[in-house]
Amino acid sequence: EDKVVQSPLSLVVHEGDTVTLNCSYEVTNFRSLLWYKQEKKAPTFLFMLTSSGIEKKSGRLSSILDKKELFSILNITATQTGDSAIYLCAVVSSQGAQKLVFGQGTRLTINP
Amino acid sequence: DAGVIQSPRHEVTEMGQEVTLRCKPISGHNSLFWYRQTMMRGLELLIYFNNNVPIDDSGMPEDRFSAKMPNASFSTLKIQPSEPRDSAVYFCASSFAGARGTGELFFGEGSRLTVL
Repeated sequence: EDKVVQSPLSLVVHEGDTVTLNCSYEVTNFRSLLWYKQEKKAPTFLFMLTSSGIEKKSGRLSSILDKKELFSILNITATQTGDSAIYLCAVVSSQGAQKLVFGQGTRLTINP
Repeated sequence: DAGVIQSPRHEVTEMGQEVTLRCKPISGHNSLFWYRQTMMRGLELLIYFNNNVPIDDSGMPEDRFSAKMPNASFSTLKIQPSEPRDSAVYFCASSFAGARGTGELFFGEGSRLTVL
């Protein structure tokens, strides 16, 4: 059975801190790994990773994938209160249609 | 593009009543997914369709849940009879699956269901 595990489940830090969120997976026919941010409503797309060792970066957020060790990390530097959200990791397996399996999410709270 | 459109946004019903949630995927997308999200279990995949055909419904909790996709622009998720433990946010999402597909899912705003 495909599985995605995120850690920590919950994290509280102060504004300005750097955080690292983890995602490990076990999935057959891996195609890609996606990170989403969910605030009050629907998840919104952050990154898609398909190749090992290539960092994706968007402002203060960055992410990298290790296909050998089957994990990904999402880094957020100089955190702001607006970064408070649930961060979801999902893995796409290619079995006919592209099925996404989500982890439980990491609830990140940034205190001023 | 209007994005994925779900209705209703909120529904409060009593135990035993039938609930129907609706979804219009993004035009041109050929895959549609129904997810349920709770605090305890996170985002769970209930069922997904490819080209209107159900591919994997192993996530559907029990026979009280059913989903249909009669055409490429409409899908329903029905719960009959509803129970309090069905209370959750139900998300519909769509994507384009194929050689050109990236796997990125586009989510609707969700339908928040409360069963009393």
